[in-house]
Amino acid sequence: KNQVEQSPQSLIILEGKNCTLQCNYTVSPFSNLRWYKQDTGRGPVSLTIMTFSENTKSNGRYTATLDADTKQSSLHITASQLSDSASYICVVSARPGGGADGLTFGKGTHLIIQP
Amino acid sequence: EAGVAQSPRYKIIEKRQSVAFWCNPISGHATLYWYQQILGQGPKLLIQFQNNGVVDDSQLPKDRFSAERLKGVDSTLKIQPAKLEDSAVYLCASSLNLRGEDNEQFFGPGTRLTVL
Repeated sequence: KNQVEQSPQSLIILEGKNCTLQCNYTVSPFSNLRWYKQDTGRGPVSLTIMTFSENTKSNGRYTATLDADTKQSSLHITASQLSDSASYICVVSARPGGGADGLTFGKGTHLIIQP
Repeated sequence: EAGVAQSPRYKIIEKRQSVAFWCNPISGHATLYWYQQILGQGPKLLIQFQNNGVVDDSQLPKDRFSAERLKGVDSTLKIQPAKLEDSAVYLCASSLNLRGEDNEQFFGPGTRLTVL
């Protein structure tokens, strides 16, 4: 069964500090992995997407890494800001087979940035 | 470019009542998705449309949930009758291509349903 596990479940850090969120997956076959940011009361918004051959991808202060051998990904946030407070969801896509996207969502990490 | 629109944003009903949600995807997006997101969890796919046809509804509780996308644009999701465990945020998303590698889904703000 395809699964995506995220850790930690929740995290509180001080403004200006860095943090790293983890995503482990058992999705096969593998097509791509996305990190989404979901602000409270809003829908998820894509931060990064990585395919099998990509190890690192950055989007401003967000840097995602992917190790396809160990099936692990991380999202590193540098110099956190209050606006980074949100849930971060890891989503893994299996190669389309019967027509569906084959997306598996993690439960998310709830990040709180304190001033 | 306008995003995915959903209405209403909030709905409170009593159990056994009916409720309907509406979604207008991004113009030109052929694929539309409805998700259920229970508090503290990731979204769970309920149904996926490609134009006006159903691609995947394997996780839709068909005894009480129904969805349609008659003209291949707007979509409605209905719950009849609602149960307490249906309390959740219902997210609508749309994307351009069904099989593309970079098949990014764009999400609407969601409808928060509370069943009392």
